[in-house]
Amino acid sequence: DGGITQSPKYLFRKEGQNVTLSCEQNLNHDAMYWYRQDPGQGLRLIYYSQIVNDFQKGDIAEGYSVSREKKESFPLTVTSAQKNPTAFYLCASSSWGSRSTIYFGEGSWLTVV
Amino acid sequence: AQTVTQSQPEMSVQEAETVTLSCTYDTSESNYYLFWYKQPPSRQMILVIRQEAYKQQNATENRFSVNFQKAAKSFSLKISDSQLGDTAMYFCAFMKHNTGTASKLTFGTGTRLQVTL
Repeated sequence: DGGITQSPKYLFRKEGQNVTLSCEQNLNHDAMYWYRQDPGQGLRLIYYSQIVNDFQKGDIAEGYSVSREKKESFPLTVTSAQKNPTAFYLCASSSWGSRSTIYFGEGSWLTVV
Repeated sequence: AQTVTQSQPEMSVQEAETVTLSCTYDTSESNYYLFWYKQPPSRQMILVIRQEAYKQQNATENRFSVNFQKAAKSFSLKISDSQLGDTAMYFCAFMKHNTGTASKLTFGTGTRLQVTL
């Protein structure tokens, strides 16, 4: 089946620890995105990537890092510099052009313990 | 920068009735897209409907339709014959048109819709 796969579904982070969320897509989309959702809030853009080996900061990039070594993969690392990382994280992808629509994965819950 | 405002945090509708969710946006762009996404309790974001700003005709998808008023920067979602499965958070989103590059979504804060028996 074509789609966007995020893992793990649930992740717990200790204080001072880095964690990485995985995102893989088999839709042959060029662009990939990471959004953060806090309870009762809309989605805010963390990072996005238009092509392999290229990515740009979104609105709330501080404390996060990404890589885009393959077209299919766009992992997000939540570093210890992110002071309030507990949230729901959504990965998304899209093709370019006038018919571009952004599709989402099922999300990952990150909790600080 | 674009902003999207959803002024109704929560709404309730009885099964089989019609409900309208409101959304307004602010932008200086002339070419853009508007979306409604549904987020059920599973938290997956599901595309409901899409509207191109250059099209005057309102988009429809089965029981879902929009009222797009470009001059007023308004984009409301009408759900007809509401079903229990429509219970979810609904997000309005804006995307600037880009040619040959990726585009980003700007979201509103959402409206929680409860469909009751």
